[in-house]
Amino acid sequence: GAVVSQHPSRVICKSGTSVKIECRSLDFQATTMFWYRQFPKQSLMLMATSNEGSKATYEQGVEKDKFLINHASLTLSTLTVTSAHPEDSSFYICSARTGRPEAFFGQGTRLTVV
Amino acid sequence: KQEVTQIPAALSVPEGENLVLNCSFTDSAIYNLQWFRQDPGKGLTSLLLIQSSQREQTSGRLNASLDKSSGRSTLYIAASQPGDSATYLCAVESNDYKLSFGAGTTVTVRA
Repeated sequence: GAVVSQHPSRVICKSGTSVKIECRSLDFQATTMFWYRQFPKQSLMLMATSNEGSKATYEQGVEKDKFLINHASLTLSTLTVTSAHPEDSSFYICSARTGRPEAFFGQGTRLTVV
Repeated sequence: KQEVTQIPAALSVPEGENLVLNCSFTDSAIYNLQWFRQDPGKGLTSLLLIQSSQREQTSGRLNASLDKSSGRSTLYIAASQPGDSATYLCAVESNDYKLSFGAGTTVTVRA
């Protein structure tokens, strides 16, 4: 099956700093990548959709200036959490797909802001 | 807006018992429905995908049914094993490629 690699798996950062999370499709070209956020015991909430070479589309309520998404190639998308604060601590998961039907997910990144 | 609900939120069964996990969704205009498994602190592993035109899918001990008109899907896991302990997520895909997830059912299989 298709493999999506997400890095890092865990990161701890100081409040006010920025953190970059990478999402790579290892054995296929992903025309579209999605970024989700998951709080404990809650469902995944879609943050944004990114297509290679174009600007990301953010869901309502997601601050585009805080969560910068870059989809520079068909195999790589990055999420940068800028000026992170403790309330940004969460589990972030990316998903990559090329057409349909299935969506493939990365391993997730546990972000802790102290 | 699509709302996805999973019942129960948690389930604990002895090894060998069959598991029945339920998923309901409010908008029947879906493209497909997917069941995932999530282990603690990990990403999602796809288990089964049912296209909107299909009624069920099977893989090994797993069987998932879909009743699109009533907005329901059920995941059956036969002869549960301790290794089946995880959170199971249901997600429905709309025509815009977006997935809407339920909050999951956390399963514990006791040895």
